[in-house]
Amino acid sequence: AQKVTQAQTEISVVEKEDVTLDCVYETRDTTYYLFWYKQPPSGELVFLIRRNSFDEQNEISGRYSWNFQKSTSSFNFTITASQVVDSAVYFCAPLRDMIYNQGGKLIFGQGTELSVKP
Amino acid sequence: DTAVSQTPKYLVTQMGNDKSIKCEQNLGHDTMYWYKQDSKKFLKIMFSYNNKELIINETVPNRFSPKSPDKAHLNLHINSLELGDSAVYFCASSQTGDNSPLHFGNGTRLTVT
Repeated sequence: AQKVTQAQTEISVVEKEDVTLDCVYETRDTTYYLFWYKQPPSGELVFLIRRNSFDEQNEISGRYSWNFQKSTSSFNFTITASQVVDSAVYFCAPLRDMIYNQGGKLIFGQGTELSVKP
Repeated sequence: DTAVSQTPKYLVTQMGNDKSIKCEQNLGHDTMYWYKQDSKKFLKIMFSYNNKELIINETVPNRFSPKSPDKAHLNLHINSLELGDSAVYFCASSQTGDNSPLHFGNGTRLTVT
């Protein structure tokens, strides 16, 4: 079955530590997109990044970086020098069941709750 | 501000009642969604509409009826509320054709007592 697994339910780190959130997915599609979302304690869902399955180049945005490896079906997210404001639940989500010109649906992983302590 | 807005933010009601949650987006998107987030933070899609047409219905009870009067609105009506309906409901929108990300509203916390 097509699904996404975030094996780490909770992670706790001390500020300034680096932390990696794992995401492993299964898909039968040859072309697909992967997303990461952040849900801070205030509850909103914030889009972080989208990756195309054709593009395996790692991406860096400030303290955030993403490692996409198609061969292992993984799309991991690393926060460098973590800060208290990074405390949130992070969701990995592949896009699937695309209906031509009508969109598809995001299938969310279980989420990883990151707690960054001062 | 451009955004996805949903109302109300909180909804407390008794079992058996009927309630509605409204959603509007001014991002010019043509696809809208309803997601449900349970107490364990698990997010599951309920419905998706594209240009007012229902394209995804994820085995949601008939008590849930989405309505899309136009591309910018997708409302959710729930009949005969049950305790298990208690959750946070998120509306979202996206532009189809280019796999654009979903933009979410801030959620409606529904509590059924």
